[in-house]
Amino acid sequence: EPEVTQTPSHQVTQMGQEVILRCVPISNHLYFYWYRQILGQKVEFLVSFYNNEISEKSEIFDDQFSVERPDGSNFTLKIRSTKLEDSAMYFCASSERGPGDNEQFFGPGTRLTVL
Amino acid sequence: RKEVEQDPGPFNVPEGATVAFNCTYSNSASQSFFWYRQDCRKEPKLLMSVYSSGNEDGRFTAQLNRASQYISLLIRDSKLSDSATYLCVVNPGSSYKLIFGSGTRLLVRP
Repeated sequence: EPEVTQTPSHQVTQMGQEVILRCVPISNHLYFYWYRQILGQKVEFLVSFYNNEISEKSEIFDDQFSVERPDGSNFTLKIRSTKLEDSAMYFCASSERGPGDNEQFFGPGTRLTVL
Repeated sequence: RKEVEQDPGPFNVPEGATVAFNCTYSNSASQSFFWYRQDCRKEPKLLMSVYSSGNEDGRFTAQLNRASQYISLLIRDSKLSDSATYLCVVNPGSSYKLIFGSGTRLLVRP
């Protein structure tokens, strides 16, 4: 069964450093997403990406965040200057269809720890 | 009012029991509804989509009441492996994002 994959599974970084989280969505999916989950809290939407551009972003997704699809398979989330409060589980997701009918499938996540 | 509201539980039930979870959502324009399950420190996994007509998948039955903005999940004949957090999830139709509830924790005991 096709699945979303993410690397690394755990990333530890110092405050102020840049991190890049990587994802390989399901191959025939066209819509890609990043979510985050702070420990003990609910899953929160960060950004969606379709047709090589951001289609929607949340208030959390400020100027320190960026996304890119550098080639035909990878989808990345970059955090330019990490803060302590960026420590969370980051999930990538993908879907075949868009708004209104979009079952989204999640990768196993990257646990980001900012020290 | 929270966008998606769930009873946090935990629901502690014996194996074989039937258990029901409820969820309410605030945006009447929402178009897609889902139940996901999440094991501790793992990703949300899609359990089932929820349709107005109701739908069943084995031991799981989901119902949607658009008038009351209410979604339910019924689990029959609970197994130990059903122990997890169940997430009620809504997609506002004009939006790409999924909005998650905080989840209801289920513990199935032997």
